[in-house]
Amino acid sequence: SAVISQKPSRDICQRGTSLTIQCQVDSQVTMMFWYRQQPGQSLTLIATANQGSEATYESGFVIDKFPISRPNLTFSTLTVSNMSPEDSSIYLCSATPSGRSSGAQYFGPGTRLLVL
Amino acid sequence: KQEVTQIPAALSVPEGENLVLNCSFTDSAIYNLQWFRQDPGKGLTSLLLIQSSQREQTSGRLNASLDKSSGRSTLYIAASQPGDSATYLCAVFNQFYFGTGTSLTVIP
Repeated sequence: SAVISQKPSRDICQRGTSLTIQCQVDSQVTMMFWYRQQPGQSLTLIATANQGSEATYESGFVIDKFPISRPNLTFSTLTVSNMSPEDSSIYLCSATPSGRSSGAQYFGPGTRLLVL
Repeated sequence: KQEVTQIPAALSVPEGENLVLNCSFTDSAIYNLQWFRQDPGKGLTSLLLIQSSQREQTSGRLNASLDKSSGRSTLYIAASQPGDSATYLCAVFNQFYFGTGTSLTVIP
């Protein structure tokens, strides 16, 4: 398993600003992911954070809006850029310690974002 | 496109009752299926992982089954407790699709 922490746990931001969310894993992992959970809905994958290369984004998500960094095997950041109220969500990072696509995913506690 | 559905959306049971949560998916080409619980305002806690080649997994009072051919999984909770109250999510991993969850309330 893996223990995953996120910072900040919550934030209230003004429209047009940007917020960077940090995700730290207690062990080296090959695969890290970022999800969004909008109010009352389930999780949607934003992107796969690749160490040493550009993130792989899912349909509907773009790098300009959600730039992602993955400087090493234990850390990743997600930035929500030029925020609008529609970006109000819980943002979660996850990791697959086994490094296999068939391995279990473990999640951080999430970052609750409210955009005014 | 994969679709993951969970029924019921909400469930309320008295303490001690055994219960079953259902998860169905439309594309059987999955790597695995994972059950999570989510407490209000919290992240996801992994409960059980079933590989595509497996039929079931057990952990304590929890038992999850997988029938790929019919696109179904069930999570069985034995002797429910108030601490089991949470939202339960299933997820299929080939394309990372999550169900919308079942909100469970166990009444003392």
